[in-house]
Amino acid sequence: DAGITQSPRHKVTETGTPVTLRCHQTENHRYMYWYRQDPGHGLRLIHYSYGVKDTDKGEVSDGYSVSRSKTEDFLLTLESATSSQTSVYFCAISEWREGPDTQYFGPGTRLTVL
Amino acid sequence: AQKVTQAQTEISVVEKEDVTLDCVYETRDTTYYLFWYKQPPSGELVFLIRRNSFDEQNEISGRYSWNFQKSTSSFNFTITASQVVDSAVYFCALSEAGRGSTLGRLYFGRGTQLTVWP
Repeated sequence: DAGITQSPRHKVTETGTPVTLRCHQTENHRYMYWYRQDPGHGLRLIHYSYGVKDTDKGEVSDGYSVSRSKTEDFLLTLESATSSQTSVYFCAISEWREGPDTQYFGPGTRLTVL
Repeated sequence: AQKVTQAQTEISVVEKEDVTLDCVYETRDTTYYLFWYKQPPSGELVFLIRRNSFDEQNEISGRYSWNFQKSTSSFNFTITASQVVDSAVYFCALSEAGRGSTLGRLYFGRGTQLTVWP
């Protein structure tokens, strides 16, 4: 199994509070991704990173920011959480070898915003 | 527009039946990759298969098989002799490798919930 951990695994917070989710990998992969999973939508990309300090937006990036100061850590921040951000968040890692390699996913973080 | 369509939202079968999960994709890239993931009730996402657009050979792995047809833009997944442990949500996903594509990002279908009854 790919060495990917996410913390916290569960979090309940209130509307308007900041929240940071952490993804940690031990595989030294360049590419890291944050997805959210909602019923009826599958998984949708929030942000991704292709190296330290190199990040870009995905299709549902509004209300989220990310940072990657070390290869192994990719942080997702909700500056001011809203109820629409209640979701399960997955981090993924991969490499690029003559094309996109398989993405391996962390265990997920279930976030509830009240 | 949805790049990956899994038209079957839910499928129920009885153990030992064969079941096929459909996946239709849409892309303009000539180089792309297709994936299947399994999400059991415990919630993790488990990688099953990766296939590139230049390899149309069907693949079999135990009770699992995949049928890739570029002519119909489909990448269907068959489970032979299904078992209760196969009960899960199955996701098909597409990654594009053409110029301008978001590096390695996966476009997911909405998933098919498979329930296998004993």
